[in-house]
Formats: sequence, structure tokens, C-alpha cells
Amino acid sequence: EAGVTQFPSHSVIEKGQTVTLRCDPISGHDNLYWYRRVMGKEIKFLLHFVKESKQDESGMPNNRFLAERTGGTYSTLKVQPAELEDSGVYFCASSQDGLTSYEQYFGPGTRLTVT
Amino acid sequence: DQQVKQNSPSLSVQEGRISILNCDYTNSMFDYFLWYKKYPAEGPTFLISISSIKDKNEDGRFTVFLNKSAKHLSLHIVPSQPGDSAVYFCAYQDNYGQNFVFGPGTRLSVLP
Repeated sequence: EAGVTQFPSHSVIEKGQTVTLRCDPISGHDNLYWYRRVMGKEIKFLLHFVKESKQDESGMPNNRFLAERTGGTYSTLKVQPAELEDSGVYFCASSQDGLTSYEQYFGPGTRLTVT
Repeated sequence: DQQVKQNSPSLSVQEGRISILNCDYTNSMFDYFLWYKKYPAEGPTFLISISSIKDKNEDGRFTVFLNKSAKHLSLHIVPSQPGDSAVYFCAYQDNYGQNFVFGPGTRLSVLP
């Protein structure tokens, strides 16, 4: 069974540009999460989808970040315009509904560098 | 203010010995605490969890202890192996939602 995949693995963009990150969750997982780790610090929650609906977007830092999950399958996270402080590793995770929904499966992350 | 603290950024242990990783938290409203392991260039992988109603959970070489009165969690790895070298994150899932709150991580190095 394929795990969570993320694309691209690395992205280097200039301040002011736009970047779109993609996450493909494990097939059948209704829950999809985005997290971010900046400068080797803690992994911080950004938002949570249940199918195509945003369940919780309390962690989104500002309105330069837009996440979508059309059709309840893959998700995209767009940063527009990117700022220097947006640099970090963006992780996506997915989980099933049910008793073991706390077992989130993480993708390998996208390392974003804004110069 | 960090809700989950891992005060040791790094830990070195000899192969075969016990590794003890610690985690302190401030929020008492949670369902589960979890430990995740992360290798370089990979995403975190789930290791072991403990329910808020338990004080110990064991899975092979890994045991997690929960002291609710002290708001303290620890992960014991016995015996430690070089392949255990990774960054370990503790996290809790709050009982209002399903998102996790992670600690900053502890880098464990198991020396052969």
C-alpha cells in the first residue's frame, strides 16, 4: 500500500513568488493534515481536512496560505506571495476515521526555501 | 508558550543500554499521547501511544510511561540499537479535535 506522498520534495523560490505544494494521502483516508516545521523547531499544525471540508484551520499563519482538497482526495497548499519566514519543511499526514484515527501517517515533507 | 516540552535537544546512549526520552506538557485535556520517530529527509513515523486513562504502554523494546500528576511522559528504549538513532517527537492529540501538538524533538544517538 502506497504511503503519503508529497510533491515537490524541495522548492526554492524568491520572496514574492507563489508556490503550490501537493499531498496525496493514503487511499481511503478521510482525514488529511498539514503541518510545518521551521528551523528545526517543533512541528506545528496548520489545518485539518475531513474529506473535502476544512475541519480546523486554526493553525494557518495568515491569509497568504490557501489549502484546498477538491473531491476529498489530494490536497494542495498554496503560499502567495511567499515571505522569508515561510521557509521550512511542510508535512502532510493522513489518517482513517475511527478508533485509531490518532495514528497519523506522515509524508516525507516538502522543504521550502524562500530567498 | 510551548504546550509540549522536550528539554533535552539531544541524547547519546551506548548500544545495548537504556534510552530514556522525556516530555513535559501543560494542557491536561487530551485523549492520547504519542511518540513519533523521524529519520533525516523522511516524515515522522508513529512509534507508540498511550491513552490518558493509562500510565504505561509497552510494545517490544519500547515502553511509554505517563505520570498525569506531574504532567510528564517518558519513552524507554531497551536495549537501544544503532538503528534507533533518530529525532523523537512527543505529541498529544487534544480531545477537542484531531490535530496534534508536537514537542520540539530530541535527537537520540545510539553509539555502537
